[in-house]
Amino acid sequence: DVKVTQSSRYLVKRTGEKVFLECVQDMDHENMFWYRQDPGLGLRLIYFSYDVKMKEKGDIPEGYSVSREKKERFSLILESASTNQTSMYLCASRASGPSYNEQFFGPGTRLTVL
Amino acid sequence: DAKTTQPNSMESNEEEPVHLPCNHSTISGTDYIHWYRQLPSQGPEYVIHGLTSNVNNRMASLAIAEDRKSSTLILHRATLRDAAVYYCILRPNFGNEKLTFGTGTRLTIIP
Repeated sequence: DVKVTQSSRYLVKRTGEKVFLECVQDMDHENMFWYRQDPGLGLRLIYFSYDVKMKEKGDIPEGYSVSREKKERFSLILESASTNQTSMYLCASRASGPSYNEQFFGPGTRLTVL
Repeated sequence: DAKTTQPNSMESNEEEPVHLPCNHSTISGTDYIHWYRQLPSQGPEYVIHGLTSNVNNRMASLAIAEDRKSSTLILHRATLRDAAVYYCILRPNFGNEKLTFGTGTRLTIIP
């Protein structure tokens, strides 16, 4: 079975802390994505990466950064967590090319910032 | 990015067919129509996609209007496990890898 795993299902942090959310995929996919999901707003793309060390801003990148040092791992970093970053964070991966259409999602990390 | 419009919620009886509509009147000629669903407490999962012709797979069927301005996801025989939020998404054929999710349709299955 193909897999996207996220380091934690639940995380509680304090305002101002630096937070790392890790995502690993075992499918050798080129593309990886970070979304956040909030009630009434659906999924919103934060950042994505189409290759190692490459990254592009999504729709809501403010307050976040990312790192992709290895193909299988894509990290989301909250430099200084704030309460408005309390959310469900979802990682996804996808192969490149027009024949590859399916995006695979991880189970999500529910982050609470106090 | 072209947008999609879906009803906020729908209900259906168990073991009956379900038709989930999606409007995408600003679709471009190279946009694929994708459907994902999100079961409770899980990440979204791919259901089906198409360009112009109707498509079938083991999970569902996708019916695409001739002018491509709307589509319908068809679950042939709904089960309780099909209760989820269903997202209709347009994906450009080239250049842009990202998917733009809306708020989807919450499908409730009545036993």
